[in-house]
Amino acid sequence: GAVVSQHPSWVICKSGTSVKIECRSLDFQATTMFWYRQFPKQSLMLMATSNEGSKATYEQGVEKDKFLINHASLTLSTLTVTSAHPEDSSFYICSAPLLATPSTDTQYFGPGTRLTVL
Amino acid sequence: GESVGLHLPTLSVQEGDNSIINCAYSNSASDYFIWYKQESGKGPQFIIDIRSNMDKRQGQRVTVLLNKTVKHLSLQIAATQPGDSAVYFCAEQDGGYNKLIFGAGTRLAVHP
Repeated sequence: GAVVSQHPSWVICKSGTSVKIECRSLDFQATTMFWYRQFPKQSLMLMATSNEGSKATYEQGVEKDKFLINHASLTLSTLTVTSAHPEDSSFYICSAPLLATPSTDTQYFGPGTRLTVL
Repeated sequence: GESVGLHLPTLSVQEGDNSIINCAYSNSASDYFIWYKQESGKGPQFIIDIRSNMDKRQGQRVTVLLNKTVKHLSLQIAATQPGDSAVYFCAEQDGGYNKLIFGAGTRLAVHP
């Protein structure tokens, strides 16, 4: 099956610093990837849609200048949390759709990145 | 706004019993539905999906039922095993977009 990886799996940083999270599709190409945030005991909330070669599309309420997304290749999207604060501590998960056939567009998820901001 | 919700936040079952997890969705334009399983500290794992032109789809030990009339989705797990313990999310997708909207999640606890 399709595999999506994330790096790092966890990161601890000081308040005010920036953190970059990578999302890679390992055995397929993804022109689109999605970034989600999940707080403890809550559901996944879509943050933004990452588009290869163009600007990301952010969901309402998500600060684009704080959560920088770059999708420079068909297998890599990065999310940079700039000037991180404790309230940004969360589980960040990416996904990529596998367009196997016109009738299926299953999204495969990465293992997630646990961000803790001190 | 559009949302997908669940009726039960937690479900406890005995090992070997069948489990049924329910989900209500509100966007009548959604035409693709997916169930995901998420274990603690991990990303969601695809279980089964169904398109709006179907009302039932079966996989290995799992069945998804879709009732478009009442906008209801359910996941049935046969002979539930301890390894099935996790949080289960339903998600809906509007065919015009790739975005997934997730429900609140149901924690399934399987007791021996």
